[in-house]
Amino acid sequence: GAVVSQHPSRVICKSGTSVKIECRSLDFQATTMFWYRQFPKQSLMLMATSNEGSKATYEQGVEKDKFLINHASLTLSTLTVTSAHPEDSSFYICSASADRGFYEQYFGPGTRLTVT
Amino acid sequence: AQSVTQLGSHVSVSEGALVLLRCNYSSSVPPYLFWYVQYPNQGLQLLLKYTSAATLVKGINGFEAEFKKSETSFHLTKPSAHMSDAAEYFCAGAGGGADGLTFGKGTHLIIQP
Repeated sequence: GAVVSQHPSRVICKSGTSVKIECRSLDFQATTMFWYRQFPKQSLMLMATSNEGSKATYEQGVEKDKFLINHASLTLSTLTVTSAHPEDSSFYICSASADRGFYEQYFGPGTRLTVT
Repeated sequence: AQSVTQLGSHVSVSEGALVLLRCNYSSSVPPYLFWYVQYPNQGLQLLLKYTSAATLVKGINGFEAEFKKSETSFHLTKPSAHMSDAAEYFCAGAGGGADGLTFGKGTHLIIQP
C-alpha cells in the first residue's frame, strides 16, 4: 500500500517551453502533497506544499509563477514548469501524505527534467 | 526552524561491519525524524521514523536509530553491512505533522567487499 507514481519518469524539453509533471497517489487519498527538487549529488529541497482544493504554499525563493502547482483531487497533483530554462534541469520528486495526525510522507520515483 | 545535519558525506565500511550514519537536528520543538535511502535515479524509500513514541526505532533491512534528545541526535545503525546497503542515505525532519521535510545533505554509504 501507499504507492505514489510520477509521470513522466524522464522528460527532455527545449528552452522556453513548458512541461507538466504528474504525481498520483494510487491507493490512498492524499490530503497533502509536497514537491521537492534535487540537483545532482545534492539533497532534496522542498519547493512547495499543496493541500487538495487550496493554493499551494511555496518555500522562500521558489517562483510560484514559474512552478505552477495544482492539487485538484485527493489523488493527483501536477507541477508545471513554465518557460523552462537549462537551470531548471533537475530531479523533481513528489510526496504525498494521507494523514495529518500521524505523520508520514510517501515518495514518488521522481522525474528527471532536462532542458536543452 | 528545523535543520538537519549529517556528518560525513561519504562513509565506507567493510561488508559485515557496523554501519553508523550520523544525524543531528536542531529544533525548538520536539521533531518528527526520518531516515530515507535512495538508490541511483530512484525516489526515496523510508527506512524508519521517530514520532515521539519509543526512542529506539527499528526499521526495515535491519536498520535502527536512537533518538537522543540530550544530544539532539538520531544516528542510524546496522550491525552488519551488506553489499546491497550501498546507497545514499538521507536524514530528514519536520516540526509538525503537516510540514514538508527538511533534509540533511545526505551520506553516501560505500560497502567494501
